[in-house]
Amino acid sequence: NAGVTQTPKFRVLKTGQSMTLLCAQDMNHEYMYWYRQDPGMGLRLIHYSVGEGTTAKGEVPDGYNVSRLKKQNFLLGLESAAPSQTSVYFCASRDGNSPLHFGNGTRLTVT
Amino acid sequence: GDSVTQMEGPVTLSEEAFLTINCTYTATGYPSLFWYVQYPGEGLQLLLKATKADDKGSNKGFEATYRKETTSFHLEKGSVQVSDSAVYFCAPLINDYKLSFGAGTTVTVRA
Repeated sequence: NAGVTQTPKFRVLKTGQSMTLLCAQDMNHEYMYWYRQDPGMGLRLIHYSVGEGTTAKGEVPDGYNVSRLKKQNFLLGLESAAPSQTSVYFCASRDGNSPLHFGNGTRLTVT
Repeated sequence: GDSVTQMEGPVTLSEEAFLTINCTYTATGYPSLFWYVQYPGEGLQLLLKATKADDKGSNKGFEATYRKETTSFHLEKGSVQVSDSAVYFCAPLINDYKLSFGAGTTVTVRA
C-alpha cells in the first residue's frame, strides 16, 4: 500500500541550482497534481496532469516545469531555483470523483 | 470565478469543547465537497466528504453537511481531543480535475 510516494523528503539548494522532484503513484490514477504549501497561504496548485503525456498550468506555474511520460510518475522541475521557491511541495493523485491522495511532502529550502 | 472561503484561524480550544470551522464556496453547479486534515509533519489526508446536497459526511466524530442553499460545508465536532490538533482544509471539487483548497484552519486543543 505505497499510495503516493515523493522523493526526496528534504533538499537544500543554492540559488540558481536545478533539481527534479519525483512523484510516483501505484493506484493507476489518471490525474496527478503538484501543490506548494506556504504559511498562511494554504495549498496552491502549481501544475497538474489529466493523463499520461498531458500537463497543464495551475495557479502558480512560473519557475516550474513538469512532465508525465509515464502514467504513474509526475515530475516537477526547477530549472533555476530562487529563494521564493522555498516551500513544502505536495504531490497528489485521484481518479473520477474520488478524493485526492497525497504524498508526505518534500521540504525544499533555497538559500 | 470559483473559490472557497474558510474560517481563519488559529483556533485554540480546551479538550471536550465544541469545534466548528466554517467553509463556503462559489462554483457553478453542485461540486463534491471534501474536508482534509493535516497532522503535524504529515501530508494531507481525507477526513470526510459529501457528494450531493443534504449529504452528511462523518468520520472520527467530525461531521459536515452539504448545504446547497447557503453553499456551505461547515465542519463540526462535539467534543475535541488533544489528538485533533491539526490543520483543516475545506476543498470543493470545482470541476472534473481541479480541487480548490481553502487557506486552512489551524486548530490547537489543550489538555
